[in-house]
Parts: sequence; structure tokens; C-alpha cells
Amino acid sequence: GENVEQHPSTLSVQEGDSAVIKCTYSDSASNYFPWYKQELGKRPQLIIDIRSNVGEKKDQRIAVTLNKTAKHFSLHITETQPEDSAVYFCAARHPGYALNFGKGTSLLVTP
Amino acid sequence: DGGITQSPKYLFRKEGQNVTLSCEQNLNHDAMYWYRQDPGQGLRLIYYSQIVNDFQKGDIAEGYSVSREKKESFPLTVTSAQKNPTAFYLCASSTSGQSTEAFFGQGTRLTVV
Repeated sequence: GENVEQHPSTLSVQEGDSAVIKCTYSDSASNYFPWYKQELGKRPQLIIDIRSNVGEKKDQRIAVTLNKTAKHFSLHITETQPEDSAVYFCAARHPGYALNFGKGTSLLVTP
Repeated sequence: DGGITQSPKYLFRKEGQNVTLSCEQNLNHDAMYWYRQDPGQGLRLIYYSQIVNDFQKGDIAEGYSVSREKKESFPLTVTSAQKNPTAFYLCASSTSGQSTEAFFGQGTRLTVV
């Protein structure tokens, strides 16, 4: 089955700096790669996703890049703000199967 | 609020008892999923269902059972065979397309004492 590795497990940045979270996946047939944000005590919510026919996608301060050859994808958050503090999960989906998640990155943005 | 509801939010049970967690969605989604969340472990897949009356085991199905008799409902039973049932359980749903967002319920925190 699909195996998703996520790094780092914790990340601390100063407000205004950039944050980068990286994930690798094992199944070359996986074609959908979402990123979820989970605030303390709340449900995970989708912040951005990318499909295998696209190399990069951007939404305001958030961007995701995908390298299919290397089987890795990354989340980039620019101009970080304290409200960006949360746990972030990457995931990958093989067609017809459920999402497989990484173990999460706890991001702390300090003022 | 996302159209997927889990109940109850908190659940306490004695060791050795079976317990059923509820998950209902009104999004007309074909697919539904159960994940378990433990600190530092991410979200691990227990069971998923792509269509009514059909479901598949995930990575950690042992000690759990599910049913999918209605499109809207995907209850999860935590049996006494589950060795470490205390956890946060998340239900999700999505359309049946290959590249579609999964929407999560608010979760049920189960504590077995």
C-alpha cells in the first residue's frame, strides 16, 4: 500500500518567515495530494491540493509543489502569521483507494 | 458545518465493552472513511467504503467493524478485541472521483477505562 513520510515533525518559525514541509510517497500510481490543517481540538480542513498532472499550485500565501519523478511534494507557507500555528498533514491517494496521511508537522509561528 | 456529523463528541466506556461511534453525512457523498488519530501517529485508516453495502479494511482494521447499509451512514464499532481503543476517531466523506476533497467530521474522543 501507499506509504507517506512527512518531515519535519515540528517546525518553529518567526512571524513573517517562510515555512516548508516536505512529504514523500511510495506508490507511483498515486495521483492526488492534499494538505490539511488541523487546529487544536478541531477537525482537519483542506488548505490546498494538487493533482498529478500539475507541478505547482499557489493560493495566496500557500503553495504546493509536486515532483512525480522523485515522488515528493512540499507545502510552502510565506509571510507566516501566528494563526498559521497548527498541525499540518500531507496525504496521497491511489485511484480507488482512501487517502493515506503523513504523521503530521506541528508548526509554531512566534510573534 | 461541512455536512458530516459525528456523535457523541466524548465517549467513555469500560474495558471489555463494545461501543459504536456514529457518522452521518448529508453531502450525498458515495465514499466514507474512518481514521484513528493518536499523538505523533497522524491519521491511520481503519475502514473505508466506496459505495453502499461495500467496505474495505484499512491499515489498522483489527478490533473494529463497520456497516454501510445507507449512503448517509457509516457507523464504526470498537470491539473488545481492540487492544488499545482509547483514541480520537475521525470520520470523513468524499465524492467517488479520484481527486476529490475529503470532508471530516468533528471527531469522537473515546476513552476506555
